[in-house]
Amino acid sequence: KNEVEQSPQNLTAQEGEFITINCSYSVGISALHWLQQHPGGGIVSLFMLSSGKKKHGRLIATINIQEKHSSLHITASHPRDSAVYICARTLFGNEKLTFGTGTRLTIIP
Amino acid sequence: NAGVMQNPRHLVRRRGQEARLRCSPMKGHSHVYWYRQLPEEGLKFMVYLQKENIIDESGMPKERFSAEFPKEGPSILRIQQVVRGDSAAYFCASSPGLAYNEQFFGPGTRLTVL
Repeated sequence: KNEVEQSPQNLTAQEGEFITINCSYSVGISALHWLQQHPGGGIVSLFMLSSGKKKHGRLIATINIQEKHSSLHITASHPRDSAVYICARTLFGNEKLTFGTGTRLTIIP
Repeated sequence: NAGVMQNPRHLVRRRGQEARLRCSPMKGHSHVYWYRQLPEEGLKFMVYLQKENIIDESGMPKERFSAEFPKEGPSILRIQQVVRGDSAAYFCASSPGLAYNEQFFGPGTRLTVL
């Protein structure tokens, strides 16, 4: 079993739809990270959170520490949001990232 | 403030040759992480370095791979006697080194072994 599990693996939606990607982890963490990998391969850090909720533009990330679960939401999705979204966790005392397998999101115009 | 820089962006080597991948962290960042992404697979941790020190190399193969982050200059990931299975994208990331800090990724080096 992976230490970080993501679902779904693939998601196709129409432009404008509300998107939710889920991430669960098995041990206590120092922080949960959401990353975006574009078709060209570059990786961008979207959020790092250890509690509550963060928002940036149309992106919202939430985390429930008790349930060891995080969600990434995209409102009013757009074709340019098409990418692979990856959650990752860090542990106290060691900041290396352990990654989920990623969710490939395709937004159709 | 330039981002994390990696070079080369693409590297082609024949089996048995050496590959040297370079990573210059963001200004003010003293922690560097190397990650590998095999074709059609997820990202995996390789090694975590601070200036002149290896903090965690638990993800790096014991043979042929080495990493350094000298006092001056970029971090280097070195792969000796490359094999086809080393073909992958190698990403480095840097952070300021304070606890719970975000990591900033470089564009990656895509290594192809012929």
